[in-house]
Amino acid sequence: AIRMTQSPSSFSASTGDRVTITCRASQDIRSYLAWYQQKPGKAPKLLIYAASTLQSGVPSRFSGSGSGTDFTLTISCLQSEDFATYYCQQYYDYPPITFGQGTRVEIK
Amino acid sequence: QVQLVESGGGLVKPGGSLRLSCAASGSTFSDYYMSWIRQAPGKGLEWISYISRSGSPIYQADSVKGRFTISRDNAKNSLFLQMNSLRAEDTAVYYCASCRDGYIYFQHWGQGTPVTVSA
Repeated sequence: AIRMTQSPSSFSASTGDRVTITCRASQDIRSYLAWYQQKPGKAPKLLIYAASTLQSGVPSRFSGSGSGTDFTLTISCLQSEDFATYYCQQYYDYPPITFGQGTRVEIK
Repeated sequence: QVQLVESGGGLVKPGGSLRLSCAASGSTFSDYYMSWIRQAPGKGLEWISYISRSGSPIYQADSVKGRFTISRDNAKNSLFLQMNSLRAEDTAVYYCASCRDGYIYFQHWGQGTPVTVSA
């Protein structure tokens, strides 16, 4: 199974900050990577697929990059509604479909 | 776009069974590939099962293989998860989720249904 490792596991940031979350795959997954946002008590929400394609309706302050084994999710100007947990997910080789362990973005 | 609503969760004893349902509306259910994903309390997301639009192929995680069965009824716009031989570690919120274009990332999610396995 492909292992997805996110870093950091959590961090604090302020509104207006530019933040970056990293996701590393244990083997080459080309660009078959998605990013999700999850708020407490809610279902995850798709933000980005194919490593860099923004899902319809997602604000443009979110962006994704990378290919192969190293990927990043960037929030260009953190808003109050962006404090949440973020997950990456590979869909290159399955089963199993695998997620990263999550990165929690907290208010500083 | 499709809307998804799960039901059927609850409290069950170890070794027991439960059947989850996911009702789809708002779009043609048979256009969607479907999965079940779960989240244990305070933990991350774990994909557990996938079914294609026609019902085959089906993929499952090793953690549920031989105990859980995914199925769908396109005529009733419904997805199911039959869970047998339940264990304490199956305690989680169970989400159904859809993908449309054959790539298994999840565009739409239900609100989740909680399952607790405890004596």
